[in-house]
Parts: sequence; structure tokens; C-alpha cells
Amino acid sequence: QPVLTQPPSVSAAPGQKVTISCSGSSSNIGKHNVRWYQQFPGTAPKHLIYENDKRPSGIPDRFSGSKSGTSATLGITGLQTGDEADYYCGTWDNSLNVWVFGGGTKLTVL
Amino acid sequence: EVQLVESGGGLVQPGGSLRLSCAASGFTFRNFWMTWVRQAPGKGLECVANINKDGSDEYYVDSVKGRFTISRDNAKDSLYLQMNSLSAEDTAVYFCVNDLAWGQGALVTVSS
Repeated sequence: QPVLTQPPSVSAAPGQKVTISCSGSSSNIGKHNVRWYQQFPGTAPKHLIYENDKRPSGIPDRFSGSKSGTSATLGITGLQTGDEADYYCGTWDNSLNVWVFGGGTKLTVL
Repeated sequence: EVQLVESGGGLVQPGGSLRLSCAASGFTFRNFWMTWVRQAPGKGLECVANINKDGSDEYYVDSVKGRFTISRDNAKDSLYLQMNSLSAEDTAVYFCVNDLAWGQGALVTVSS
């Protein structure tokens, strides 16, 4: 089972906003920065958010990240059909001494 | 342009071995921790192993400890994953990853 907990799926209409939660513990999110990844079917994931709320160059500001305590949230505004993908959170875990991921959330833009 | 290119994937019998390589370019390889992440068919992401910048520290997920070895050659800008005693549960696409990019992945299929 994934160490970090994400909802299996979320959906919203084009132009709307959606949030994806990522819940962890004091040994992972509670102590370390969170990253978010975007993966389209049949392709490699790509970095979407790093250090909780920073966007790599080329990532639109429609994507945002936040962290509070042992949870993190990815927000996507102005939804587009091209945003349909799987989204994963990840961070380091002090107890397992390895990078850990959430189970992934499938975004559907209705 | 930052690039990570995996090679060495393929079909291997249960109990067999395989060595994956990852060639890095477009950045200073020795300045970054490196990670192998795998994704079984239809499943989520799982970190297999991490290695620090100079290769002196390695970290593994429990399911591969004692079977997989991560290593790097900073002179060659390359990352490796030696996989031994492979089983069907190791069938997955293996990605080479760092803070800047993901490779395209290498498919490892363990089957008789």
C-alpha cells in the first residue's frame, strides 16, 4: 500500500478548479518538502511542483501546491481537457529511508 | 537540455539478472542525488532505490533489499541498477529520476 494517501479520482468541468489532497505522517510530509508529478497515459511522469509550492520552468501558474502539517494539496485552476492525467505526490520518509509516493489521483475533466 | 536515457531493459526469466543503465546529459550529474522508480503495469509509482551525490550512501525499498544494487559513475555521468533474483513482481517500467527530470523508462519483463 502506498505510504501517502491520495483520492483515487477527482473530476470537474472545464474552466473550474480542483484540488488533490495528499496525506502523510510526521516521518514524511511532516518533515520534508513535497513534490507533485503529472503523468499522461503511456508516458513518463514529469515534475509539476517541487519544494511544496514551486513550479519548474514551463509549468503554468494554473498549477499550485501547498503544505500544512502532514498534508499537502495540489490545486489546478482553469481546468482544460489537456489536464486529464494521473497526479502523484511524493516526499522522503525518515522511517523507511526511501522516497515515497501517493497512490495517484486520476483527474477527469468532464 | 536535461536528458536521462535508460537502457538495458528486456525479457528475463524468473531468478535471472539484468542491469539497467541511465545516461545523463545537460546538467552536472555529480551534483544530484539519483533515484530509480518503477511502475508495474496499471499501477502507481514505487521508488526502488536512491543514491547520494558521490555514491557513498544507498537506500532501497524493502522489497528489493539484498537483490538490487544502485550505483553511479560520476566520471561517465551514468547511473546503474543491478537487479538479481528477479521475480514476476519485478515486472515494471523502470525510470531514472532526479530533481530535474525523468527518463523515458525501460521495460523489464520477468517471465518464463
